[in-house]
Amino acid sequence: GAVVSQHPSRVICKSGTSVKIECRSLDFQATTMFWYRQFPKQSLMLMATSNEGSKATYEQGVEKDKFLINHASLTLSTLTVTSAHPEDSSFYICSASPGSSIDEQFFGPGTRLTVL
Amino acid sequence: GIQVEQSPPDLILQEGANSTLRCNFSDSVNNLQWFHQNPWGQLINLFYIPSGTKQNGRLSATTVATERYSLLYISSSQTTDSGVYFCAGRGGTSYGKLTFGQGTILTVHP
Repeated sequence: GAVVSQHPSRVICKSGTSVKIECRSLDFQATTMFWYRQFPKQSLMLMATSNEGSKATYEQGVEKDKFLINHASLTLSTLTVTSAHPEDSSFYICSASPGSSIDEQFFGPGTRLTVL
Repeated sequence: GIQVEQSPPDLILQEGANSTLRCNFSDSVNNLQWFHQNPWGQLINLFYIPSGTKQNGRLSATTVATERYSLLYISSSQTTDSGVYFCAGRGGTSYGKLTFGQGTILTVHP
């Protein structure tokens, strides 16, 4: 299957700092990637759709100025959590599809963010 | 968007038992996937099954698109099958966005 990586796997930061998370498709190109958030013992919630070469599309209730998304190339999307606060602590997961956006999606291993 | 409901929310089995997990969706889907989330959080793709039946070892899945449900069968369960199982679907106009169910927590005892 297709491989998606994320970096870092875990990050601890102080309140008020910004954190960047990278999502890479290792063996395929992806014009569209997706960012999800998962709280403990809960399901995954889609945050935004990352589009290569254009602006991201955010789900209702997700602050686009808080969660900056940049899809700079066909293999890399980044999520920057700006001015992080403890309530931003969560598990962030990205996904991508090697085919069209309606095909099977593959997920990265996730990034656990803890804001002190 | 579509709604996805999974049942049961929790399932406890003895090793060797069989089980069936169910996923109901509120509208037609053109993508339906089953995942196993391991203890480290990684989602492992089990099946991509918008319709029909597939089998992979001790696991099999069936999606009846016209009746808006999918089933995941686990036979001869092992302790390593423990974890959270998610189904996720995409509606026809969702441009690739998957909606996840709440998951089934499976615990297999030796």
